This record gives sequence, structure tokens and C-alpha cells, in this order.
Amino acid sequence: NAGVMQNPRHLVRRRGQEARLRCSPMKGHSHVYWYRQLPEEGLKFMVYLQKENIIDESGMPKERFSAEFPKEGPSILRIQQVVRGDSAAYFCASSQLAGVAYNEQFFGPGTRLTVL
Amino acid sequence: KQEVTQIPAALSVPEGENLVLNCSFTDSAIYNLQWFRQDPGKGLTSLLLIQSSQREQTSGRLNASLDKSSGRSTLYIAASQPGDSATYLCAVRPEDSNYQLIWGAGTKLIIKP
Repeated sequence: NAGVMQNPRHLVRRRGQEARLRCSPMKGHSHVYWYRQLPEEGLKFMVYLQKENIIDESGMPKERFSAEFPKEGPSILRIQQVVRGDSAAYFCASSQLAGVAYNEQFFGPGTRLTVL
Repeated sequence: KQEVTQIPAALSVPEGENLVLNCSFTDSAIYNLQWFRQDPGKGLTSLLLIQSSQREQTSGRLNASLDKSSGRSTLYIAASQPGDSATYLCAVRPEDSNYQLIWGAGTKLIIKP
């Protein structure tokens, strides 16, 4: 059973370009979470999605950022018109359960975005 | 607002020593606390998860304790090895959320051969 997969592992963009980060959850998991880790900081929650639904996007910037988890295919975190401050590691996690106290999230290897 | 703090930010010890990493949180209303390991440029590996009703969890040379009322957790590493060098992160699940994790900034551990 493959773990959470993210690609690309490293992404370099110039200011103003778009960045697309992909996350394939573990088999059997229908809940996906995106986190961002700035240098020397802990992870910060961005968004929680279930298939075809955004459940909680309270941690995601209102502008330029969007996320989706279509019925088929991976979850996508999209950053439009990237700026240098978007440079960070973006981690995806998935879980089988939700709405319960014990709800372990399994993390992918992350995508390291560098904006030049 | 829940805040998680890890002290020290960095730690360097000789191989073979036992060591303790600290994690504190400001709001004791948590479901569980989890310790992760992060290797440079790599993902996160879950080490131990302690439910709020538990006092400690053990896995091999690792032992994590939880004192919920005082808002503290420790990760004890016995007989440290160079391969233990990594950043150790703790994260708490607040009671008012079934999915959000609140993270500390981590302790960067270096074990010198």
C-alpha cells in the first residue's frame, strides 16, 4: 500500500508564474489536508478537502491560492502569480476517517517550492 | 488560541547520550499529541501518538510522555545514535477540531559520532 504521494518534489517558479502541486492520498483515504511550512517554522494548516468538496479553507490565503480534490485524480493546490513569500515546503496528508477524535493523518514527502 | 512551543530550537549531543526534547502547549483541551521526525529535504515520519487519556507511549528507544493539565510533553531518546539526527516536531489536535493539527517549530537534533 503506497503512502501519500506528492509531485513534483521540487518546483522552481519565477515571480508571476503559476504553481501546481499534486497530492495522491493513500489508497482508501478520502480526506486530504494541505499544510505549509515556512523556513525554520512549524507547519501551518491551509485547507481540508474531501472528494469534490472543500470542508475548511480557513488557513488558506484568500487570494491567489485555490485547492481542489476531484472525483478522479489527485488533489491539486494551485498558486497563481507566485511571489517570493510563497517559497516554502507544502505538505499533503490524508486520512481514512474524519469527524472522530482519533483520526491519524499520514503525510507525503512534500513539495519544495522556490520562487525566484 | 492554541500555541505550541518546542525548546530548545537546536540541540547537539555526543553519541550514546540519553536526551529529552520538550514540547509545551497553551491550551490543555486537546484530543492527542503527536511527535514527528523530519529529515532534511524529506517528509514527515510519525513517531508516537499519545491520546489525551494516556500518560506515555513507547516505541523502541523512544518514549513520549504527556502531562495534559500542565500542557507539556517530552520525547525521551535513549542511547542516541547519529542516525537520530533530524528535526523533531510535535503537534497537538485541539478538542474543537477533528482534523487540524497545531505544530511547534521543531527541535533540530544533531548527534555527534
